[in-house]
Amino acid sequence: QVQLQQWGAGLLKPSETLSLTCAVYHGSFNDYYWTWIRQSPGQALEWLGEINHHGRTNLNPSLRGRVMISVDTPKNQVSLQLTSVTDADTAIYYCARAKAFGYGVDVWGQGTTVIVSS
Amino acid sequence: DIQMTQSPSSLSASVGDRVTITCRASQSIDNNVNWYLQNPGKAPKLLIYGTSNLQSGVPSRFSGSGSGTHFSLTISSLQPEDFATYYCQQTYSSTPYTFGQGTKLEIE
Repeated sequence: QVQLQQWGAGLLKPSETLSLTCAVYHGSFNDYYWTWIRQSPGQALEWLGEINHHGRTNLNPSLRGRVMISVDTPKNQVSLQLTSVTDADTAIYYCARAKAFGYGVDVWGQGTTVIVSS
Repeated sequence: DIQMTQSPSSLSASVGDRVTITCRASQSIDNNVNWYLQNPGKAPKLLIYGTSNLQSGVPSRFSGSGSGTHFSLTISSLQPEDFATYYCQQTYSSTPYTFGQGTKLEIE
């Protein structure tokens, strides 16, 4: 059973860089896109971007160049960086596995709560 | 961005009821719609992909339909564990993939 384990700093100050990593265990890494999605308190889901094992990315343009997603294929890990955070970036961040052909996100990490506060 | 508008935003129903949640896209998205269920404090769970395909392990009381700009998720007979928040998602255009604002299904 594939499992996603994510970690990273949970408390940031404005203007700092959010950095999260997600490791994939017990499943194929190369056959999927790996996705980051966030959910602000009481709000809907927001798709941040995705990456495959070759490092090909699709990113959300609304984040205006602040977001970067990278991959370490030998380690079966993906990482998210979001620069110049503000309190609007306070959210639960999920790492997740995207099925082929846009057929949804079928495996999710446990989520990481990130709070931005001065 | 393609906007996904869900309705209703909240819904009260009883165990055994049949309910339908709809999602309207701001432009045609073929059949590239997925539906999720989210319980409080938990990650979302994929229910339906590609408009009408049931994700493995999901009960058959869940079904999806639609095409173009109008899509729906139907639960044929509500069970206690179905009271949650539901989201649609379009994966027609990846710049960016977008979600609806959610429908909270509550016990009447």
